[in-house]
Amino acid sequence: GAGVSQTPSNKVTEKGKYVELRCDPISGHTALYWYRQSLGQGPEFLIYFQGTGAADDSGLPNDRFFAVRPEGSVSTLKIQRTERGDSAVYLCASSLTRLAHNEQFFGPGTRLTVL
Amino acid sequence: GQQLNQNPQSMFIQEGEDVSMNCTSSSIFNTWLWYKQDPGEGPVLLIALYKAGELTSNGRLTAQFGITRKDSFLNISASIPSDVGIYFCAGDNTDKLIFGTGTRLQVFP
Repeated sequence: GAGVSQTPSNKVTEKGKYVELRCDPISGHTALYWYRQSLGQGPEFLIYFQGTGAADDSGLPNDRFFAVRPEGSVSTLKIQRTERGDSAVYLCASSLTRLAHNEQFFGPGTRLTVL
Repeated sequence: GQQLNQNPQSMFIQEGEDVSMNCTSSSIFNTWLWYKQDPGEGPVLLIALYKAGELTSNGRLTAQFGITRKDSFLNISASIPSDVGIYFCAGDNTDKLIFGTGTRLQVFP
């Protein structure tokens, strides 16, 4: 399809484990965003990329969270030493550029459960 | 993280009724957006507002950008069953969206 895709759709892991969440943005979109949505809440910004570089990572909660976008397309959100409080839906969005008025298109999310 | 205050938290209405919801912020935004989220899906943009005082419609949806730039309103007229879902406002200054807490809408036939 032509939309943003995220894999896996669901991930169950144990406390302390490492996880990687993948985002495939819409082809040609240079800006990519990660958000985290806890149950009953709105999405919260984590990090955004313009091309390959992280332009703003101010939303990452701590240094256990890291994201990369090595070729300016696919992005991976990496979480080390997972904690139960990391359980949430992780949403990825992409937009044509980072300029204002460019709509962010969201993927369906990855539901992460840390046991 | 920061979340905008959205009211009401939930609404239970009958098909055909009109719906109003609002969003307030302690800080100013240059852009206000309204999204709808269905279960298991990401948010989908409904309406974007770029100017204080702006009133914009999209079919049965009408949204307004408050004059103070600290609030926004969404109205849905003549609700139908497929309007069911969670509605989020979002403010945007620097391309990272700040979302509201959401309004859950249930429509009964």
